[in-house]
Amino acid sequence: KAGVTQTPRYLIKTRGQQVTLSCSPISGHRSVSWYQQTPGQGLQFLFEYFSETQRNKGNFPGRFSGRQFSNSRSEMNVSTLELGDSALYLCASSEEAGVRFFGPGTRLTVL
Amino acid sequence: AQSVTQPDIHITVSEGASLELRCNYSYGATPYLFWYVQSPGQGLQLLLKYFSGDTLVQGIKGFEAEFKRSQSSFNLRKPSVHWSDAAEYFCAVGALTGGGNKLTFGTGTQLKVEL
Repeated sequence: KAGVTQTPRYLIKTRGQQVTLSCSPISGHRSVSWYQQTPGQGLQFLFEYFSETQRNKGNFPGRFSGRQFSNSRSEMNVSTLELGDSALYLCASSEEAGVRFFGPGTRLTVL
Repeated sequence: AQSVTQPDIHITVSEGASLELRCNYSYGATPYLFWYVQSPGQGLQLLLKYFSGDTLVQGIKGFEAEFKRSQSSFNLRKPSVHWSDAAEYFCAVGALTGGGNKLTFGTGTQLKVEL
């Protein structure tokens, strides 16, 4: 099976813009979760989707949102970008619960 | 709330030497425990997991970890380190909450291997 894919791999934006990141899970996986990784805060949970429903959310402002489509693909959106949003955004997929398989990440740089 | 502590930020070992990376967790029930490895610029690769049963679990690349409930620990070990093991290692604890689950990660241990 193909692994988790994330697009784009690299992204440069300026403050105030918005951005959309995409994640395609492993075939058959219906749970997709998102994590933000920064040198200062480490790996932090953003949210999780299962069968198109958000069922867990981390402690991030409302500028961070996501959705999941009927084919389990997921997108996350960050509006009104801030410098502090520069990070590696990791997507992970799993069956309903248990082992998370991670994608390579999207490196977002906000200037 | 669940939490994970990895007390060692950096560890340096010589190639061929043994390795132990420490991980302590805080969780109210039986935890799901994981070790992941991350190479520079890459995502996270699962090394091994513990859900239940045998407390000594084997993983990929010759790694193993032992779950000790009394010590709230899940330390990662390898008997002989290879130069290619240089990477950052993350311990994580998972939970099933309200029909969903999330992972809480430790801050990571950066492993350097001296040739």
